[in-house]
Amino acid sequence: LAKTTQPISMDSYEGQEVNITCSHNNIATNDYITWYQQFPSQGPRFIIQGYKTKVTNEVASLFIPADRKSSTLSLPRVSLSDTAVYYCLVGDIRENNNDMRFGAGTRLTVKP
Amino acid sequence: EPEVTQTPSHQVTQMGQEVILRCVPISNHLYFYWYRQILGQKVEFLVSFYNNEISEKSEIFDDRFSVERPDGSNFTLKIRSTKLEDSAMYFCASIRLDPGELFFGEGSRLTVL
Repeated sequence: LAKTTQPISMDSYEGQEVNITCSHNNIATNDYITWYQQFPSQGPRFIIQGYKTKVTNEVASLFIPADRKSSTLSLPRVSLSDTAVYYCLVGDIRENNNDMRFGAGTRLTVKP
Repeated sequence: EPEVTQTPSHQVTQMGQEVILRCVPISNHLYFYWYRQILGQKVEFLVSFYNNEISEKSEIFDDRFSVERPDGSNFTLKIRSTKLEDSAMYFCASIRLDPGELFFGEGSRLTVL
């Protein structure tokens, strides 16, 4: 997996849009970008995955610029329950999934 | 929705004892993983397992650790001669290749006294 860099923590307020950026300068051609969410005392949970441009699902959007050296997870109108740690993983997970290491993640705290 | 199940949810053991943590991955998944998370820290990769053998292991996975899939459904992590620093939450995961999504269990909390 490519090395990733994320902010250690972020604070937000209920109802705001939150954008978490992940840097992955050495992303390879076949690499995908995947984001996971982890609540305390639970295992990480898949949120969204993308390769380029923009991906949107019922939970979040993922924006990937043309050079793919970074990506931004966007959470619309966060609530208190979105308080969690968010991890981005970058790799060719469909072909080389032996080493699935998580980075330090971003701890998001949503305040009332 | 299918899920990864882990047992026990919490195990307390004395230092030096052996523990076995059990996992039942999702039935049609072929790749399996164990992770460790010490309280307040990040999720750490331990080992990946495919086709009944270890594919990759981290520096944490020393010779006290072993994994096996004894009966085609269960996937176990054994820790021998436990140390205080083995105290952590241990997560099992399996992967669905398209779209390459990891599914995690709820974890087994290991406390070594």
